[in-house]
Amino acid sequence: LAKTTQPISMDSYEGQEVNITCSHNNIATNDYITWYQQFPSQGPRFIIQGYKTKVTNEVASLFIPADRKSSTLSLPRVSLSDTAVYYCLAGGADGLTFGKGTHLIIQP
Amino acid sequence: DSGVTQTPKHLITATGQRVTLRCSPRSGDLSVYWYQQSLDQGLQFLIQYYNGEERAKGNILERFSAQQFPDLHSELNLSSLELGDSALYFCASSEGLGFGNTIYFGEGSWLTVV
Repeated sequence: LAKTTQPISMDSYEGQEVNITCSHNNIATNDYITWYQQFPSQGPRFIIQGYKTKVTNEVASLFIPADRKSSTLSLPRVSLSDTAVYYCLAGGADGLTFGKGTHLIIQP
Repeated sequence: DSGVTQTPKHLITATGQRVTLRCSPRSGDLSVYWYQQSLDQGLQFLIQYYNGEERAKGNILERFSAQQFPDLHSELNLSSLELGDSALYFCASSEGLGFGNTIYFGEGSWLTVV
């Protein structure tokens, strides 16, 4: 399981695009990159997952460069309800370990 | 709604006691995970079961144990409880073990030890 590093906190404003970058220098060949969102006192919620290049779904985009040593979660046009902790994970099938995550605060 | 069901939602018990937390995974999911989240702490992986067999073990204390039953539901047993065991305990499930496997979390069981 690759160790990940992401900013402890970020601030932004409603309507802005927010990019959260995660580094995973020792990612293994078979590791996928997955992002989760967690609100206080709730279980983490799957946002997006990718292996390389770019993945987009209805809520976010995930950019992964060719060397896969980092990834960027992009949240378009954030709202107050996007205030949450975002976790980046780089791993395989077993025992995913979450770090401290990035506490994203969206202001009006 | 993730489809993962945990009971009880809240539990208050005294030090030294034993409790059991229950988890029903999503329909069709064979893998179950248990996590602990203390106040202001990240999610700590405890243990994983796949189709009834222990698959991976994380930072699980010897006072804690888990099992997965033939119907795939899982129980986490916490014994000789201490104040520091007060936390939110999450169960999660996934379809299998393949790379790219997505894990879905329940809403957690709040345990308060007094």
